[in-house]
Amino acid sequence: DAGITQSPRHKVTETGTPVTLRCHQTENHRYMYWYRQDPGHGLRLIHYSYGVKDTDKGEVSDGYSVSRSKTEDFLLTLESATSSQTSVYFCAISVGGLQETQYFGPGTRLLVL
Amino acid sequence: QQQVKQSPQSLIVQKGGISIINCAYENTAFDYFPWYQQFPGKGPALLIAIRPDVSEKKEGRFTISFNKSAKQFSLHIMDSQPGDSATYFCAASHGGSEKLVFGKGTKLTVNP
Repeated sequence: DAGITQSPRHKVTETGTPVTLRCHQTENHRYMYWYRQDPGHGLRLIHYSYGVKDTDKGEVSDGYSVSRSKTEDFLLTLESATSSQTSVYFCAISVGGLQETQYFGPGTRLLVL
Repeated sequence: QQQVKQSPQSLIVQKGGISIINCAYENTAFDYFPWYQQFPGKGPALLIAIRPDVSEKKEGRFTISFNKSAKQFSLHIMDSQPGDSATYFCAASHGGSEKLVFGKGTKLTVNP
C-alpha cells in the first residue's frame, strides 16, 4: 500500500454540509492525487499536488478544493456536499515522479443524502 | 472528451481461457501505457505497463500488445483463473505530465 492511509473510510453526510477527506503518506513522496470512482466513469482525477502548497486541477475539480500544508498530508474538501458527489474517493501517490507507478490508498466511500 | 476508450465494459471467461481487453487512445503524445487491476473494496494496483518503443511486454500470464499506428493497446490474460476476477483499467500519459488518463474499466469474471 506504499504507506497510504485515508480517513474516514466511510462517511454519510447531508447535502449542503462541508466534508473533508484526508490522505496521509508515510514516505514523503512529492506527487499526490485525488480521484473519484463512479460506475461507468472509471477513475477521474479531481486535483493533484506536486509539492507543499503546490496543487492543480484535474478533469472534475468543480465543487472540490484541496490543501497540502505538509508533504505527508493531502486534504480534499467538499465545501457544500451535493448528491452528485456521492462516490468512492481514492488518494494516490506517485513513486519516483513523472510517469512512474501510482499507488492507491484503500478509498473512502462517501454517501451524500 | 474521453481520451482513452476501453472495451468491453464487462467480460466473462471460463477458467483456462484467454481474456482480452482493448484500449484506444487519441492523443499521439501519449508514451506511457499502464494497466491497473482492482479487486472489490480495494484501490487499483499497477499490473503491467508498456512504453511505445516495444510492441509487446509479457509478465507471467499477462501480456500487453501495443499498436502505435492504430493507437491501440490491449491486455491479454492467458490461462485465466478465478482469482483474476477483478476490474481492469487501462491508462495513458505523456512525457512531462504528472497525470494519468484512465479508461472506464472492464469488469472481468472468470468462471470456475
